[in-house]
Amino acid sequence: EVQLVESGGGLGQPGGSLRLSCAASGFSFGNYWMSWVRQAPGKGLEWVANMNQDGSEKYYVDSVKGRFTISRDNAKNSLYLQMNSLRAEDTAVYYCARTQSYSSRFEYWGQGTLVTVSS
Amino acid sequence: DIQMTQSPSSLSASIGDRVTITCQASQDISYFLNWYQQKPGKAPKLLIYDASNLEAGVPSRFSGSGSGTDFTFTISSLQPEDIASYYCQQYGSLLPITFGPGTKVDIK
Repeated sequence: EVQLVESGGGLGQPGGSLRLSCAASGFSFGNYWMSWVRQAPGKGLEWVANMNQDGSEKYYVDSVKGRFTISRDNAKNSLYLQMNSLRAEDTAVYYCARTQSYSSRFEYWGQGTLVTVSS
Repeated sequence: DIQMTQSPSSLSASIGDRVTITCQASQDISYFLNWYQQKPGKAPKLLIYDASNLEAGVPSRFSGSGSGTDFTFTISSLQPEDIASYYCQQYGSLLPITFGPGTKVDIK
């Protein structure tokens, strides 16, 4: 059974940093593109970033470029999102998701982790 | 960026009713359109991919159609467990991937 479990959310200060993790199991993690998608409270879904199997390709939505970094450790079956220079508008539930390519469907989702940016 | 619109934004229907949601893209996206169901407090779940293909394990009362800029999602006979929000998502060759604003479905 495919499982994705996010962690690392919490309260972050404006201008501060947080690092999210996503632990994957039930599939060959190193064979898949992975993504982060977020959802602000009461709002819709927004794709944030994705990366390919070996980390050589990474893509970001414009609003996080230069502030967020997606990475992975295939030996640990884990995906990460380093979030720097946090803004209030980054407040959201962050989901990791398995995907087929840089632009595709999100086949499996984790349960999400809430990031709140506030002073 | 490709903008996605959905209508209606919300609807109320009776058990057994046929429910239809439309999604429109701001430019031609061929069949590169997926549909997700999201129940309150839960992660989204993929229901339909490539406009009309039913994801494995998803009940056959869910269906999708369309191509180009206009797409339709249908629940043929609404069930109590279908109460949720539904989102379309486009994945053309150009990023960013974008979602529609969602349609909230509840029971009348």
